[in-house]
Amino acid sequence: TQLLEQSPQFLSIQEGENLTVYCNSSSVFSSLQWYRQEPGEGPVLLVTVVTGGEVKKLKRLTFQFGDARKDSSLHITAAQPGDTGLYLCAGAMVNDMRFGAGTRLTVKP
Amino acid sequence: DAGVTQSPTHLIKTRGQQVTLRCSPKSGHDTVSWYQQALGQGPQFIFQYYEEEERQRGNFPDRFSGHQFPNYSSELNVNALLLGDSALYLCASSKLGSTVYNEQFFGPGTRLTVL
Repeated sequence: TQLLEQSPQFLSIQEGENLTVYCNSSSVFSSLQWYRQEPGEGPVLLVTVVTGGEVKKLKRLTFQFGDARKDSSLHITAAQPGDTGLYLCAGAMVNDMRFGAGTRLTVKP
Repeated sequence: DAGVTQSPTHLIKTRGQQVTLRCSPKSGHDTVSWYQQALGQGPQFIFQYYEEEERQRGNFPDRFSGHQFPNYSSELNVNALLLGDSALYLCASSKLGSTVYNEQFFGPGTRLTVL
């Protein structure tokens, strides 16, 4: 059982659509990170959220950390084919990082 | 500024063999963590090294061992390879204590195939 549950597992949309992916847990994290990973490569850090209720924006990506610091969401506006990839959330524990299984996003032109 | 580098990029071994993977951290980083990522899964934490010592360990058997050198680079060793050890092995570096949260930067990984 994953400590962090990500949903949906797979998402296929058309270019220009909006989408939201979720990262949920019953555990509290000191911080939570979102990564994007492309096939055969390592995850690339997109954002770190630290404070409960925090919202961060990165161009068309909006990240939110839940008030209780147990969950997070990633919203993408007007998705583009370049957004295609595996989106991973990771929660910081005392001395390690726990990852979800990821949401595999495909944006079709 | 070089990011995290790993070698080799790909490796094929047979069951029962031993393998050593290498990682050089991002400049200025002193902590190295290793992860195993099976196909279709998120990375699973193996262990973390700081000041040449293993600080934390995930749920992996003793066949997985590591080392950190004075220049902060690190090795991951896996003995008695099993088919199930086939995965992408990721190295991540961070600066211990530089921030309140453990912000890590990942290398491109080593793809290990065990036949």
